[in-house]
Amino acid sequence: GAGVSQSPSNKVTEKGKDVELRCDPISGHTALYWYRQSLGQGLEFLIYFQGNSAPDKSGLPSDRFSAERTGGSVSTLTIQRTQQEDSAVYLCASSGDFYSNQPQHFGDGTRLSIL
Amino acid sequence: ILNVEQSPQSLHVQEGDSTNFTCSFPSSNFYALHWYRWETAKSPEALFVMTLNGDEKKKGRISATLNTKEGYSYLYIKGSQPEDSATYLCAYNAGGTSYGKLTFGQGTILTVHP
Repeated sequence: GAGVSQSPSNKVTEKGKDVELRCDPISGHTALYWYRQSLGQGLEFLIYFQGNSAPDKSGLPSDRFSAERTGGSVSTLTIQRTQQEDSAVYLCASSGDFYSNQPQHFGDGTRLSIL
Repeated sequence: ILNVEQSPQSLHVQEGDSTNFTCSFPSSNFYALHWYRWETAKSPEALFVMTLNGDEKKKGRISATLNTKEGYSYLYIKGSQPEDSATYLCAYNAGGTSYGKLTFGQGTILTVHP
């Protein structure tokens, strides 16, 4: 079946612009996660959504970052007024109910470069 | 701050060698430990999710053990092949109010030379 799909695969933009990254999870998966990997760093948790519960936003690095998940499916991560330190690979993952300890299935990521 | 450490940072082995690496994590508030394999230009692939102290999981030539009391997990690869070359990531889930939150280690980069 179809895996987690992310778009765009690459994004180059100028400092100060807003960007939107999209994630289409595996059908039926109730949990959706966003991570990023900056150069030389490990995978960093940003936010997760579980069903209709309020998302855990504890990993968002600043108020320039926001995410939403519409209809319990597709998610959009928005970065406003981008800065050079936002350059990273942004990964989305989905899983079944995370209380049951299911593995996360990752997309191929969006490589974001801020000039 | 949750500290998840992986060692070694990188490893070079010859084809056919067996190898292992370590993931250490806080021994309190344990909920689960995940292992992923991340090949270059691909997305991370789940290997194991481990939840019970003493757990041992196996997938082909790869196996993993878990010690939640002392806070470590080992990943073993038997008879390494060039296609095993990848970054191996472990991720810790503390549960509680953070059920969905995985804290990843920096990874172990494995290179298997033919």
